[in-house]
Amino acid sequence: GAGVSQTPSNKVTEKGKYVELRCDPISGHTALYWYRQSLGQGPEFLIYFQGTGAADDSGLPNDRFFAVRPEGSVSTLKIQRTERGDSAVYLCASSSSSPGELFFGEGSRLTVL
Amino acid sequence: AQSVTQLDSQVPVFEEAPVELRCNYSSSVSVYLFWYVQYPNQGLQLLLKYLSGSTLVESINGFEAEFNKSQTSFHLRKPSVHISDTAEYFCAVTPIAGGGNKLTFGTGTQLKVEL
Repeated sequence: GAGVSQTPSNKVTEKGKYVELRCDPISGHTALYWYRQSLGQGPEFLIYFQGTGAADDSGLPNDRFFAVRPEGSVSTLKIQRTERGDSAVYLCASSSSSPGELFFGEGSRLTVL
Repeated sequence: AQSVTQLDSQVPVFEEAPVELRCNYSSSVSVYLFWYVQYPNQGLQLLLKYLSGSTLVESINGFEAEFNKSQTSFHLRKPSVHISDTAEYFCAVTPIAGGGNKLTFGTGTQLKVEL
């Protein structure tokens, strides 16, 4: 069966550019999460969606980061005016109703030069 | 807010030896507890979880973890490790009420099993 799919798997960009990272969750999962994992750190929560709406975006570091999920399935994380400090692996996960059981994708590695 | 501490960043161990990966947490509210594992070149996956009931929980591949409320710990153990257990292990918590499945992770412990 299909798991959580993230594209691209790797993205190299220059400082100041705009990037989009896409997540396709497991079919039927209503909840979708974005995390960021920097080198040597655990995943850090960014935002989660319940259906189409952002239920909690308290982890977004600043207004350069934005995420959407217009039809309640695929989600896109958008980063404007990228900075070198944005370099990390961006993880997406989806969930049904089981507490704490998130299904993660393999991540999108973003490198900002 | 919650925080999770995994003091050991790396744990080397020989095959068939026992291992313990330590996890302590801090929270002002009651939490569910989890261990996630990330094998090389794979995504994070749930290893085991404590929601309620017996404080000792087990995974299908021989790991176990015990919830100790007084010590706010959830250490992961295996009596005899295998080469295939080499991976990074993350402890995580989420509030029982109102958490929305938002997990707070520790910094991870790299388990390296050697022959």
